[in-house]
Amino acid sequence: GAVVSQHPSRVICKSGTSVKIECRSLDFQATTMFWYRQFPKQSLMLMATSNEGSKATYEQGVEKDKFLINHASLTLSTLTVTSAHPEDSSFYICSAKGLGLAYEQYFGPGTRLTVT
Amino acid sequence: EDQVTQSPEALRLQEGESSSLNCSYTVSGLRGLFWYRQDPGKGPEFLFTLYSAGEEKEKERLKATLTKKESFLHITAPKPEDSATYLCAVSSMIKAAGNKLTFGGGTRVLVKP
Repeated sequence: GAVVSQHPSRVICKSGTSVKIECRSLDFQATTMFWYRQFPKQSLMLMATSNEGSKATYEQGVEKDKFLINHASLTLSTLTVTSAHPEDSSFYICSAKGLGLAYEQYFGPGTRLTVT
Repeated sequence: EDQVTQSPEALRLQEGESSSLNCSYTVSGLRGLFWYRQDPGKGPEFLFTLYSAGEEKEKERLKATLTKKESFLHITAPKPEDSATYLCAVSSMIKAAGNKLTFGGGTRVLVKP
C-alpha cells in the first residue's frame, strides 16, 4: 500500500520550453502533496506544499511563477516548470500524505529533468 | 527553526559488520521522526516513524531508536543490498509548519561483500 507514481521518469527539454511532471497516489487519497528538488549527493529540498483544491504554499526562494503546482484531485498533483533553463536541471521528487496514514510521507520514484 | 544533523556522512562496512547511524535533531514539538532509505536515482522509501522517546522499531536488519535529542538507526549484520543513503527527517507539531518534513543530509552506507 501507499504507492506514489511519477511521470515521466526522465525528460529532456530545450531551454525556454515548459515541462509538466505528474504525481499520482495510486492506492490512497492524498490530502497533501509535496514537491522536492534534489541535487547530486545532497538531501531533499522542499519546494512547495499543495493541498487538494487550494493554492500551493511555496518555500522561501522558490519562484511560484516558474514552478506552477496544481493539486486538482485527491490523487493527482502536477508541477510545471515554465520557461526552463539549464539551471533548472535537477531531480524532482513528489511525496504524498493521506488520511489515515499518520504523518509519514510516501515518495514517488522521481523525475530527472535535463534542460539543454 | 527545526534542524536535523546526520552522522557520519558516509560509512563503509564489511558484510556482517554491524554499525549505527546517528540523527540529532532540534524541533519545536516533535510530531514524528522518520527514517527513509534512498537508492541512487530513486525516491526515498519509507522505513520507520518514531513518535516518542524510548520508542523502538525493527524491520529485518534495521532497528530505529529515539531519545529526546537524537535517533539511531542500527544495522545488524548488514548485507551488500543494505547499501543506500539513509535519510532522517522530523515533523513539527507547530501548526504553521503544516505537515512539512525537515531532512538531514543523509548517511551514505556502502556494504562490501
